[in-house]
Amino acid sequence: NAGVMQNPRHLVRRRGQEARLRCSPMKGHSHVYWYRQLPEEGLKFMVYLQKENIIDESGMPKERFSAEFPKEGPSILRIQQVVRGDSAAYFCASSPQEPGHLSYEQYFGPGTRLTVT
Amino acid sequence: LAKTTQPISMDSYEGQEVNITCSHNNIATNDYITWYQQFPSQGPRFIIQGYKTKVTNEVASLFIPADRKSSTLSLPRVSLSDTAVYYCLQGGGNKLTFGTGTQLKVEL
Repeated sequence: NAGVMQNPRHLVRRRGQEARLRCSPMKGHSHVYWYRQLPEEGLKFMVYLQKENIIDESGMPKERFSAEFPKEGPSILRIQQVVRGDSAAYFCASSPQEPGHLSYEQYFGPGTRLTVT
Repeated sequence: LAKTTQPISMDSYEGQEVNITCSHNNIATNDYITWYQQFPSQGPRFIIQGYKTKVTNEVASLFIPADRKSSTLSLPRVSLSDTAVYYCLQGGGNKLTFGTGTQLKVEL
């Protein structure tokens, strides 16, 4: 069973360009989460999605960032008009369980390292 | 969001047992304690989870006292490959809250 897949692994963008990060959850998982990790820091929750629905986007910046998880295909995290402060590692995770379940585990992908020049 | 407190770093030698303690004074009744491990340039990996008392799996043990205000991750006989950052998380639901973790360094 393949794990969570993310691509690209490394992405370089100039200021003002758009960045698209893709995440394919583990087979059978319908819950996807995106996190951002700045150097020397822990991961910060951004958004939680189920198929075709955004469930919780409380950690997502209000401007320039958007996420989707279409009925078919991977989940996409989109960053428009990138700035240097967007440089970070972006991790996607998936889980088979409903949120609120007392015992849950999220399976993380290898991350996409975004560098904005 | 609920926050845990753990040491910033720990050093150990191969073959030793390592215990990493985490404080979670404001833990809620429904919260579980979960530990993740992260190697450089990789995503976090689930290690172990517990609610109270002791949980053991093939990788680690987790001790949670009756008041649940702290927990201890125990790694038996560590090796160089256990060098990583270890995160203690409390809670449940859809968002995991990571602190800065404990950087464990294992030497020969």
